[in-house]
This record gives sequence, C-alpha cells and structure tokens, in this order.
Amino acid sequence: DTGVSQNPRHKITKRGQNVTFRCDPISEHNRLYWYRQTLGQGPEFLTYFQNEAQLEKSRLLSDRFSAERPKGSFSTLEIQRTEQGDSAMYLCASSPKGGMSTDTQYFGPGTRLTVL
Amino acid sequence: AQTVTQSQPEMSVQEAETVTLSCTYDTSESNYYLFWYKQPPSRQMILVIRQEAYKQQNATENRFSVNFQKAAKSFSLKISDSQLGDTAMYFCASLDNDMRFGAGTRLTVKP
Repeated sequence: DTGVSQNPRHKITKRGQNVTFRCDPISEHNRLYWYRQTLGQGPEFLTYFQNEAQLEKSRLLSDRFSAERPKGSFSTLEIQRTEQGDSAMYLCASSPKGGMSTDTQYFGPGTRLTVL
Repeated sequence: AQTVTQSQPEMSVQEAETVTLSCTYDTSESNYYLFWYKQPPSRQMILVIRQEAYKQQNATENRFSVNFQKAAKSFSLKISDSQLGDTAMYFCASLDNDMRFGAGTRLTVKP
C-alpha cells in the first residue's frame, strides 16, 4: 500500500494523559498536513510541513499540541494533558512538490481519539 | 476570511439517477483551487474532482462533473448515474493560502 498511513487508528485515553500519533506520507511527497475533524464537520486545518520545516500553524493548535517531522518523512502529532474537547478524528494528508496553491492532498485513514 | 458553505446537510438519490450537491465559497484571492472530496462511512477521504479557478472549462471525471460559476463563487458537484458505492459524505474545499472545508453533505444512494 503506497498511500498515506496513520497509526494508531484508534486511541482511547484518560483526561490529562499525553498521546502521540504518527503519519507516514506517500514517499515522494514533500508536504504533510494535519487536520482535526469532529463528528458531522469538515476537517479543520492544524498545521503543515514542507520537508522538515513547519511552515504554518492554525490558531486551533494550542500550546498543548506539538507536531514534528524530523527527517522530512514521517510526522508525529503529540497532545499533552488531553482534554475531552480533544476527542476527534485526526487526519494526515500529503501532497507532492509544488506551491501550496497547486496541491492536491491525499488523506490517510485518520486516528480517532477518544478522551474519557 | 476564507469560508466554504455546503447548505445541504443530507441528500438522497435513487440508484442510476442524477444528483447535484451545492457549494459556495468566499475568497479574496484571484488564484485558488476547488475540490470535492468523498468520505465513505468509516473509510478515508478521497479526492473526487478538482478545479483550477483560472480555467473556465468545468472539470469532469467520468460520472462526476462540476458547475463552476466564478462570479457567483459557486462550485456544485453533479453525480450522474448514481451508484450505491457513491453513498458517502461529500466535502467541498477551497485552497488559496489555506485549505478550508465545508461541513459536508451526507449523500445516500437508494436501491
């Protein structure tokens, strides 16, 4: 399978715990995006990377959220001190070379987070 | 701010018939891109069709076509010969400096 992969697919945690998600983009794609999707809504942009550089962060990304892409390949999204409001599907997408305005993004299956 | 509006939360269509999903957007940029994504139940989001704003010709992909009205900032999706496998959430999205999605339309194709 050469698509975008995400792990884990499901995560249940208790409030206050830290969680980390991983995204492996399509291999030749240099841009990687993170989105959050709540039930019945469209995805909301969180952040994106070009290679290892984090170029943009949404206001939705509070200081409890951090994302990395250390070698320009896979990326991790960490949420510290989780809150019930963090419960959502976290989607990763990647896109090939080119300016952002020309991107077509390919999405992974998502990680569904439930905070109890 | 860039916004995308899908005014139809739910729609249904009989198999083999045609359905049109509506989308309006708002952007201050002159160069942007528009997309329709499909998200089947419990499955990942996939691209259905894309449209470059500078192109006047409406994009077409097999049974899927768009009606792009730039002046009205409207970008509707037409699905012809609907199939059961078309049942999904459909999201309209616009991309200029940021990617924004609408709230989605849940389409059910009935046998």
